Amino acid sequence: EAGVAQSPRYKIIEKRQSVAFWCNPISGHATLYWYQQILGQGPKLLIQFQNNGVVDDSQLPKDRFSAERLKGVDSTLKIQPAKLEDSAVYLCASSLGVGQGRYNEQFFGPGTRLTVL
Amino acid sequence: KQEVTQIPAALSVPEGENLVLNCSFTDSAIYNLQWFRQDPGKGLTSLLLIQSSQREQTSGRLNASLDKSSGRSTLYIAASQPGDSATYLCAVYGGATNKLIFGTGTLLAVQP
Repeated sequence: EAGVAQSPRYKIIEKRQSVAFWCNPISGHATLYWYQQILGQGPKLLIQFQNNGVVDDSQLPKDRFSAERLKGVDSTLKIQPAKLEDSAVYLCASSLGVGQGRYNEQFFGPGTRLTVL
Repeated sequence: KQEVTQIPAALSVPEGENLVLNCSFTDSAIYNLQWFRQDPGKGLTSLLLIQSSQREQTSGRLNASLDKSSGRSTLYIAASQPGDSATYLCAVYGGATNKLIFGTGTLLAVQP
């Protein structure tokens, strides 16, 4: 079974530029997550989709970050304009579903390492 | 608000040693705790998942314990090998929010 795919693996941009990341979840997984992992910290959830609807985007900086999951499969995360503090690894994860009071195991992709200069 | 802390932040041991990594969390109303491994430039690999009703899980040389009431978990690695060198993250699910909340990780280096 293929895992979670992400691209690009690395990206270097100047501040104020825009950037987009792509994620393809495991086939059949209804729930998709984007995490931000700053160097030396654990991953922090940015946004969670179930199918093509947003479940939680409470920690997404909506003035500059946006995400979509058209057709409930692939997802893109965009930053516009980027700031120096956006330098981080962006991880995508997917799970079969989400159930209240029940954990659906999340499977993680390799991540995209973003450097903002 | 759930907070997850991992001690130590970094650890260096000679090959063959047994070692313990620690994880503590502030809200004991969790559904499960999970230990992950992260290699440089790679994503997260799940090592062990402990349900809230369980006290430990074992996989090969790894053993993870959970004491929900005291908000603690340990990951025991037996007979460490250089290939065990990585960052180890613990994460809890449940509590006030149905999110996976991660600790800051322990960077392990096993010297040959």
